Amino acid sequence: TQLLEQSPQFLSIQEGENLTVYCNSSSVFSSLQWYRQEPGEGPVLLVTVVTGGEVKKLKRLTFQFGDARKDSSLHITAAQPGDTGLYLCALIQGAQKLVFGQGTRLTINP
Amino acid sequence: SAVISQKPSRDICQRGTSLTIQCQVDSQVTMMFWYRQQPGQSLTLIATANQGSEATYESGFVIDKFPISRPNLTFSTLTVSNMSPEDSSIYLCSVGVGGGGQAFFGQGTRLTVV
Repeated sequence: TQLLEQSPQFLSIQEGENLTVYCNSSSVFSSLQWYRQEPGEGPVLLVTVVTGGEVKKLKRLTFQFGDARKDSSLHITAAQPGDTGLYLCALIQGAQKLVFGQGTRLTINP
Repeated sequence: SAVISQKPSRDICQRGTSLTIQCQVDSQVTMMFWYRQQPGQSLTLIATANQGSEATYESGFVIDKFPISRPNLTFSTLTVSNMSPEDSSIYLCSVGVGGGGQAFFGQGTRLTVV
């Protein structure tokens, strides 16, 4: 059983459209992280959310942590081809090791 | 922050052989982590490597298949032993820096076993 369920797993949209990616679990987390991985690179941290109901913005990306701290979402406004990549949610277990969701492979078509 | 260099970046290997992947960090870190990313999939932790002690392996991964060395606080190696095509994956090393739990990753080693 996957601890973190991400959806959708694949998403292909046109440039300029909006999209939302979800990360859900049956467990409560103290914090959750979102990473983006581009081909040939390792994942890069986008944001860490800690407080239930928290909303963080990173340019056109908006991250939300659910009130019950069991789910999170990533919303991208006016998607650009540079947003293409694998988006991963992750939680920290124990001493700094990460457990990742299955990932959402996003393709933005020009 | 941390800058991580992995070598090789990619390799094609014959089944039955072994490959050692190197990971160099630009600062001293207590723990280093090795992940596997199978084709089209997410990352799965293989093991945690501490300097001066044996690595701690996750369920489904064993030392005989993935021996790890950690000779000092800036370097680690992962060996993929007796390879089969099922070992074809991207292998990534990672370190965690700071209290916020931010992880930094190397660029990965893309391994193809033929």
